[in-house]
Parts: sequence; structure tokens; C-alpha cells
Amino acid sequence: DAGVIQSPRHEVTEMGQEVTLRCKPISGHNSLFWYRQTMMRGLELLIYFNNNVPIDDSGMPEDRFSAKMPNASFSTLKIQPSEPRDSAVYFCASSLQGSYGYTFGSGTRLTVV
Amino acid sequence: GNSVTQMEGPVTLSEEAFLTINCTYTATGYPSLFWYVQYPGEGLQLLLKATKADDKGSNKGFEATYRKETTSFHLEKGSVQVSDSAVYFCALRVNAGNMLTFGGGTRLMVKP
Repeated sequence: DAGVIQSPRHEVTEMGQEVTLRCKPISGHNSLFWYRQTMMRGLELLIYFNNNVPIDDSGMPEDRFSAKMPNASFSTLKIQPSEPRDSAVYFCASSLQGSYGYTFGSGTRLTVV
Repeated sequence: GNSVTQMEGPVTLSEEAFLTINCTYTATGYPSLFWYVQYPGEGLQLLLKATKADDKGSNKGFEATYRKETTSFHLEKGSVQVSDSAVYFCALRVNAGNMLTFGGGTRLMVKP
């Protein structure tokens, strides 16, 4: 099992550009979570999906952020337009609903200059 | 609501020292409790868990006991190694729900 796969690992972009982060969950997992981690705010849940349906997006900071899960094996988190304060490490995690653990990806380090 | 409170870091120890990282929680319901570890440059990994009162979770020399009377789940290790340097997160999940609530994380630095 390759685990949760995120791409890219690192992204540097200019302010105002569109950024798309990608996640492939573990096969068979039916819940997917997007987190953001910064030194100032720690680990924040942005949005999560059950069976490809968004359940709670209250953590999405503003309309510049959007997330999709078109099928069970792929999700995207898009930021448009990006701003320097979006610089963070973004993690994707998946789990089987009702099970105990999340499996996290290695994260995407986003730097907006 | 549900919340997890961890001791502020960083915690700096010498190799072979005893480790305790405090974690307390509030929960609406009967939670399962977890410790996750994040090594530099990596995502979080499940370290151990306990699903009912008085259970002890253990892994890699780390232990934590689910204390319902004190709503605590403190992480301990008898002799830390440099390789244990990481950020440790306490978390809970209530009943059959799928959401984990994380604490703020505690950075551990072990010096040789």
C-alpha cells in the first residue's frame, strides 16, 4: 500500500496565481480530510468528505479556497488567487469511516511570494 | 464541545531521560483517545490509542493510560532517544463519529 499520496511536495508561486494541491487517498478509505499546518495556528481542519460528499467545510478560510472530490481516489484543494498568508504545509488524510485512525500524506509545502 | 489541551512546548530532554507530555480533554460523549507523532518533514502517524477508561495504549516504548476520572491521557516514555525528537499530538474521537479533534501539539527535542 503506497499510503496517502500528495502532490506536489513543494510549491512556490507568486501572489495572485492559482494553486492546485492534489491528494490520492488509500484505496478503500471513504473519508478524506484536508488540513493546514502553520507555526502560528497549528493544525487546522479545512474540509472533510465522506463518500466523496463534502460534510463540513467550516474550516475553509474564505472563498478563495475550494475543494473537490470527483471520485473515491482523488481530491483537489484549490486556492485562487493565492496570497502570502496562505503559505503553510497542507496535509491530506484518509480513513475508513468508523475505524480508529487517520493516515496522513507527507504534505505539500506551499510558499506564496 | 470537544477539545484537547496539551502542555506547551518545546520540551527539551537529554537522552535516556523520562518523558511526560500532559494531555487533558473535554468531550460531549464517550471518547476514544489517541497520540499521533509528526517527525520533521513528514505527516502525522498514529502512535497509540485507547478506546475505553483504564485502557493503556503502548507502542515503541511510549505509553498512555485513559483516565476518565481526571479526563487525561498523558504520554510517557521511560528513556527517550534522540530519534524521538518530533511533535506529538493528542487527539480524541467521540462515539462513532469520524472526526478527530487534535490538541495543539508539543514539540520534543532530545539532546545526546
